Amino acid sequence: IVLTQSPGTLSLSPGERATLSCRASQSVASSMLAWYQQKPGQAPRLLIYGVSSRATGIPDRFSGSGSGTDFTLTISRLEPEDFAVYYCQQYGSTLWTFGQGTKVEIK
Amino acid sequence: EVQLVESGGDLVPPGGSLRLSCAASGFTVSTSYMTWVRQAPGKGLEWVSVFYRSGATYYADSVRGRFTISRDNSKNTLHLQMNSLITEDTAVYYCARALVVRGVEVAFDIWGQGTMVTVSS
Repeated sequence: IVLTQSPGTLSLSPGERATLSCRASQSVASSMLAWYQQKPGQAPRLLIYGVSSRATGIPDRFSGSGSGTDFTLTISRLEPEDFAVYYCQQYGSTLWTFGQGTKVEIK
Repeated sequence: EVQLVESGGDLVPPGGSLRLSCAASGFTVSTSYMTWVRQAPGKGLEWVSVFYRSGATYYADSVRGRFTISRDNSKNTLHLQMNSLITEDTAVYYCARALVVRGVEVAFDIWGQGTMVTVSS
């Protein structure tokens, strides 16, 4: 399964809403879609698993939604620490794949 | 504290070999679903290999036949043996543990800091 994220780059200001898209080439099992945040020089951090469940310690301004082949990560109000690269990930048939990433940058 | 620490990254020539290690603390590798993920410079994340709790192993097409994942239960450590290295294998290699929800591995919740592998002559 190929995951395609859009847009490639999102330029927004602190306080604005960010909407990131992840589209799969085939249907993804609902429990197998996750989102990660990565900052420069750091390992990825799990934000969302099972499409919409927040990982431990993740603030509620992060939310996930979607089903089938179309999934969305929403950041309700961007904080300065939210500017980073975001990846979606899926698991199927013993293989994991990542999207190519969306960079959320300060406008 | 639950933690993963990778080591073993280095500069190696094309065709060479390298063994990466990932030492776990705060949990037991033998009862966990463990994986390796890599990231080439300036690029995105690429899943490499997985070691199931059952002992089954799987690989991405790009490394199958060249890389071998293993674990040392006595040292609570995961390894990645990399042979026949090519320049495209240059990347930061992360090990990670899967989050299990109702018996199903759903994502990777614990990550190491990564170790850099450079394949170049």
